[in-house]
Amino acid sequence: DIVMTQSPDSLAVSLGERATINCKSSQSILNSSNNKNSLAWYQQKAGQPPKLLIYWASTRESGVPDRFSGSESGTDFTLTISSLQAEDVAVYYCQQHYTIPLTFGGGTKVEIK
Amino acid sequence: EVQLVESGGDLVKPGGSLRLACAASGITLSNVWMHWVRQTPGKGLEWVGRIKSMSDGGTTDYAAPVKGRFTISRDDSENTLYLQMNSLKTEDTAVYYCITLTGGCPRWGQGTLVTVSS
Repeated sequence: DIVMTQSPDSLAVSLGERATINCKSSQSILNSSNNKNSLAWYQQKAGQPPKLLIYWASTRESGVPDRFSGSESGTDFTLTISSLQAEDVAVYYCQQHYTIPLTFGGGTKVEIK
Repeated sequence: EVQLVESGGDLVKPGGSLRLACAASGITLSNVWMHWVRQTPGKGLEWVGRIKSMSDGGTTDYAAPVKGRFTISRDDSENTLYLQMNSLKTEDTAVYYCITLTGGCPRWGQGTLVTVSS
């Protein structure tokens, strides 16, 4: 199974400051058909399903504010919130869909400092 | 727009059975690979199983903890995905989601809660 190691477990960031979440896959998740990494980022608020933010590692989902961005380097992936807003308080997850079993990071809880 | 709506979650006793449904719109389920994923506070997000598209054989695969107890099927006339869960255990308590990854863009339903407790 591909292990997705997400860090940190939690972080507190001041409003307007940058938040950075990391995710590392235990092996390559590069889709050879399109040369894109099969990685998605989600935001989940209490009592709600995960909301898609980013797919193919760096493609922002329609309607997602541009303060959210995804980047990649090999098997290392990063979700950046460039200027944290109060409504961004949530748990964030990465997920690989390169192969089954689909696997997820353990989540990062983002709070306001 | 793809919409997935799960239903069927309930409180069931250990050893019992339950069938979850995932009704789809905006997508033809027989043409896509569909997954079930569950979420618990303790174990986080866990893949349950997958059914391939009809053109890819419609075969199924399951996670080890549910293999032999859970069955994924599809009713193409109703455009609905199912998860038949038998011999339920307390550790199967979770919110269950159906998801599709068409074009590499994940789409999730809102989830349905299954509670296994005596």
